[in-house]
Amino acid sequence: IAGITQAPTSQILAAGRRMTLRCTQDMRHNAMYWYRQDLGLGLRLIHYSNTAGTTGKGEVPDGYSVSRANTDDFPLTLASAVPSQTSVYFCASSEDRETEAFFGQGTRLTVV
Amino acid sequence: DQQVKQNSPSLSVQEGRISILNCDYTNSMFDYFLWYKKYPAEGPTFLISISSIKDKNEDGRFTVFLNKSAKHLSLHIVPSQPGDSAVYFCAASNTDKLIFGTGTRLQVFP
Repeated sequence: IAGITQAPTSQILAAGRRMTLRCTQDMRHNAMYWYRQDLGLGLRLIHYSNTAGTTGKGEVPDGYSVSRANTDDFPLTLASAVPSQTSVYFCASSEDRETEAFFGQGTRLTVV
Repeated sequence: DQQVKQNSPSLSVQEGRISILNCDYTNSMFDYFLWYKKYPAEGPTFLISISSIKDKNEDGRFTVFLNKSAKHLSLHIVPSQPGDSAVYFCAASNTDKLIFGTGTRLQVFP
């Protein structure tokens, strides 16, 4: 089934630990995005990538890093997790910026 | 600084009536706008979009209006149905970023 997959679905993480959220799409989309959803703040863009090999900073990039080694994968890494990074994280992809973005089911991360 | 704003966190509408969701943006470089719908525990799903060269786009019960001079767009749902109850996000795109608003929770009651 074509689509976008995130893993894990949920995670409880100790503060200070390193964590990578995985995102894979099989639609051969050029653009990929990472968002976090927090109550009252909507979806905020963390990082994005317009094509394999390129990445860019979004609205709230601090504390996060991404890589885009190939078209399909766009992992998000928290180098040293802090409680303020507790959130629901969504990965999305789109063919280009003027077509709809498809979202994964989300990863619920709790940093304690 | 929030570039895309939805000032109404919630909206309650009776079934069969019109729902109007509003969105304002500050960046005049945005040239493509989208609306997404989100149910609990699911990712957002695309609803309708509009290019900045248009002022209206219609798809069934959903119509999006764009007022570039006011930097304002709205989503009209008519007639509203209970299944429309969800959180609605507007989003704006320029060059390479897709920026979302804070969302409006729509509740359609019988």
